[in-house]
Amino acid sequence: QAVLTQPSSLSASPGASASLTCTLRSGLDVGTYTIYWYQQKPGSPPQYLLRYKSDSDKQQGSGVPSRFSGSKDGSANAGILLISGLQSEDEADYYCTIWHSSAWVFGGGTKLTVL
Amino acid sequence: EVQLVESGGGLVKPGGSLRLSCEVSGFTFTRYSMNWVRQAPGKGLEWVSCITSASSFIYYADSVQGRFTISRDNGKNALYLQMNSLRAEDTAVYYCASPAEGYWGQGTLVTVSS
Repeated sequence: QAVLTQPSSLSASPGASASLTCTLRSGLDVGTYTIYWYQQKPGSPPQYLLRYKSDSDKQQGSGVPSRFSGSKDGSANAGILLISGLQSEDEADYYCTIWHSSAWVFGGGTKLTVL
Repeated sequence: EVQLVESGGGLVKPGGSLRLSCEVSGFTFTRYSMNWVRQAPGKGLEWVSCITSASSFIYYADSVQGRFTISRDNGKNALYLQMNSLRAEDTAVYYCASPAEGYWGQGTLVTVSS
């Protein structure tokens, strides 16, 4: 079982909200990890969006709109990236990552389509 | 402005070697751990290696352990990756990055093919 699991794709309409999940493997506690979120568009490197550990320990990337926000769902053992007011420019791949067992572990990525 | 500029990629035959470099500016390089992360064509991100700020600790992904060597020169604000015994599956864009700080380079393409 992968350490981090993301749905491979998600579609949503312009103006709607999209909730991207990053589920930790059973046995790992999402509450103990800081989850980092990245956006990547074709031909470009990943762009830092934000990090989230708790409501009191979070950081928005420089210049990242506030319609991108992070949270956790403890019952699902998952980190969540919420994008509100979807725009066509939000169409991209999104990756979550954590520092785990002396390594950066990346989720497989979610391809977000805005249509 | 933070800049991470990779170089050294190219076409190499299986079994060959390459050395990647990353020149950093715009942040206090000596304070941060640095990493190499790669992305095979059409695939997701894969962490390769990490070196702490003073080179005290070094970590590798299992897929490159024993073949790749990470190093840094804090006097030159530079990060390196020596890649030996290259395989076709090492073909990827290699990024110099500090994921915790949100710093990434533009990447350099390594192609391993006969």
